[in-house]
Amino acid sequence: GAVVSQHPSRVICKSGTSVKIECRSLDFQATTMFWYRQFPKQSLMLMATSNEGSKATYEQGVEKDKFLINHASLTLSTLTVTSAHPEDSSFYICSARVLQRGAEAFFGQGTRLTVV
Amino acid sequence: TQLLEQSPQFLSIQEGENLTVYCNSSSVFSSLQWYRQEPGEGPVLLVTVVTGGEVKKLKRLTFQFGDARKDSSLHITAAQPGDTGLYLCAGTTGNNRKLIWGLGTSLAVNP
Repeated sequence: GAVVSQHPSRVICKSGTSVKIECRSLDFQATTMFWYRQFPKQSLMLMATSNEGSKATYEQGVEKDKFLINHASLTLSTLTVTSAHPEDSSFYICSARVLQRGAEAFFGQGTRLTVV
Repeated sequence: TQLLEQSPQFLSIQEGENLTVYCNSSSVFSSLQWYRQEPGEGPVLLVTVVTGGEVKKLKRLTFQFGDARKDSSLHITAAQPGDTGLYLCAGTTGNNRKLIWGLGTSLAVNP
């Protein structure tokens, strides 16, 4: 199957600092990647759709200036949480879809962000 | 608003029991996927169903897509502790690239 690698898996940062999360498609090109946020034992909440070479599309209620998304290449998308606050602590997951595999989504391992 | 209603939300059973998880919607889906997620990891795709009435089996797991492509079920036979996890259904409608997610079923299988 298609492999999506997400890094780091865990990060602890101080309030007010910024954190960058990387999402890489290892064996395929991903023109579109998706960033999700997930609370314990709950489903995934789509934050934004990352499009290679263009601006990301953010879901309603997601602050684009706080959650900066860059998709500069066909294999890498990054999510930067700027001026992090404790309420930003969560599990962030990226996914990519393989054009040839239809609607199937392949997920990164997730990043546990803790803001102290 | 397109919604996928997933039930039950929580399920705790003993090893060896059978269980069924349901995903229902008023919308027609062009495809529907089932994922399993363990704590601290990303979801892993189990199966994709695309044809109304389709049944797929994966060892002790049986997936069914409703004839009208508005609902799906996941049945686990003789559950084992290793089946513990969060089960998520997700679907796409038409040419929409976004996945519509169910709320998830948190399954605990006790030895």
